Amino acid sequence: EAGVTQSPTHLIKTRGQQATLRCSPISGHTSVYWYQQALGLGLQFLLWYDEGEERNRGNFPPRFSGRQFPNYSSELNVNALELEDSALYLCASSPDLRGARYEQYFGPGTRLTVT
Amino acid sequence: QQQVKQSPQSLIVQKGGISIINCAYENTAFDYFPWYQQFPGKGPALLIAIRPDVSEKKEGRFTISFNKSAKQFSLHIMDSQPGDSATYFCAASPWSGATNKLIFGTGTLLAVQP
Repeated sequence: EAGVTQSPTHLIKTRGQQATLRCSPISGHTSVYWYQQALGLGLQFLLWYDEGEERNRGNFPPRFSGRQFPNYSSELNVNALELEDSALYLCASSPDLRGARYEQYFGPGTRLTVT
Repeated sequence: QQQVKQSPQSLIVQKGGISIINCAYENTAFDYFPWYQQFPGKGPALLIAIRPDVSEKKEGRFTISFNKSAKQFSLHIMDSQPGDSATYFCAASPWSGATNKLIFGTGTLLAVQP
């Protein structure tokens, strides 16, 4: 069974630009989560999508947004990039709410560097 | 109240020894406690998880001990091997239809010396 996949692996952007990160969940998983892993700050919850809807977001500004497509893949958009947005962005997926809803499986991440 | 406190920050263990990592939480709404293992350049991998209705769960060399009254849980790695050298994160999640987020500890860098 294929795991969570993310693209691109690395992304270099300039301050003020926009970044788009993509995630494909494990087949059969309907929930997708985004986390930011910044140096010194640990793993911070960003967003949760389930069945195409944003269900919950963490303590991040509105310039962090995303969406989930009908095939359950997801996209994270970061607008007006700032230097402190440089981090590893991790996507995770889990089975639907009626199953083992807590088990989140992570992808390898996208390393975003803002210069 | 949303924090999960993890210790130690780093740990050095000899091959064959027992590695112990501890976590504590405040929020009594937390009801799911997973541990993740992360190697450099990789995403976190789910190791083992526990619910508060049991005090211990074992999978191979990995054991979670859970103390509900003390609001603490720990990961024990028996017969530690150099291949176990990685960063370990504890996490917690509350039972709620409104959120399914994981709140992570700050991580423990484990080095197992041969």
